[in-house]
Amino acid sequence: SQQGEEDPQALSIQEGENATMNCSYKTSINNLQWYRQNSGRGLVHLILIRSNEREKHSGRLRVTLDTSKKSSSLLITASRAADTASYFCATRGAQKLVFGQGTRLTINP
Amino acid sequence: SQTIHQWPATLVQPVGSPLSLECTVEGTSNPNLYWYRQAAGRGLQLLFYSVGIGQISSEVPQNLSASRPQDRQFILSSKKLLLSDSGFYLCAWSVLGGNTEAFFGQGTRLTVV
Repeated sequence: SQQGEEDPQALSIQEGENATMNCSYKTSINNLQWYRQNSGRGLVHLILIRSNEREKHSGRLRVTLDTSKKSSSLLITASRAADTASYFCATRGAQKLVFGQGTRLTINP
Repeated sequence: SQTIHQWPATLVQPVGSPLSLECTVEGTSNPNLYWYRQAAGRGLQLLFYSVGIGQISSEVPQNLSASRPQDRQFILSSKKLLLSDSGFYLCAWSVLGGNTEAFFGQGTRLTVV
């Protein structure tokens, strides 16, 4: 299966701290994407990193990709209460976009 | 700009009843279309995807089917719902053939009773 697996399943930190989530996958990919989901809503795309890229930044988000280890990490710096959500990695093959199980992030004020 | 519409937002159906969930996309042509299901507190399971009218790929054998009667319309159906069909169903689209992001609808919460 191409499915990504996130680690940890749940993460609770204090506001202002950094949050790191990891994703592992099994097959070769064209790119890896991270999404956010607020409870009971659709997913919102955060950032995409191509297979030939190693690191990408967007605002307070930093994504790394290690294709040799088939893993990626998402770092959210200076977390805010509004960052509380579930975060999913997704891997894209030829046409499919396959998601992992997600990390539930809780930011405590 | 592109938008995706998915309805209804919530649905309660008895076991054995039929199902039809509709998803439409505006502002783009020839999109890839996807149906996902999400169990409570879990990740997204890819159910079906489509790269064109009438072209449906099924990922998981189950009690559901999908159709794409028009370029920007994707329908998820069942002839007879099971209790295990309960879940949160999400429709999404992405640019055809492009290694780009997907855009999601707001989802349908289906409860089979």
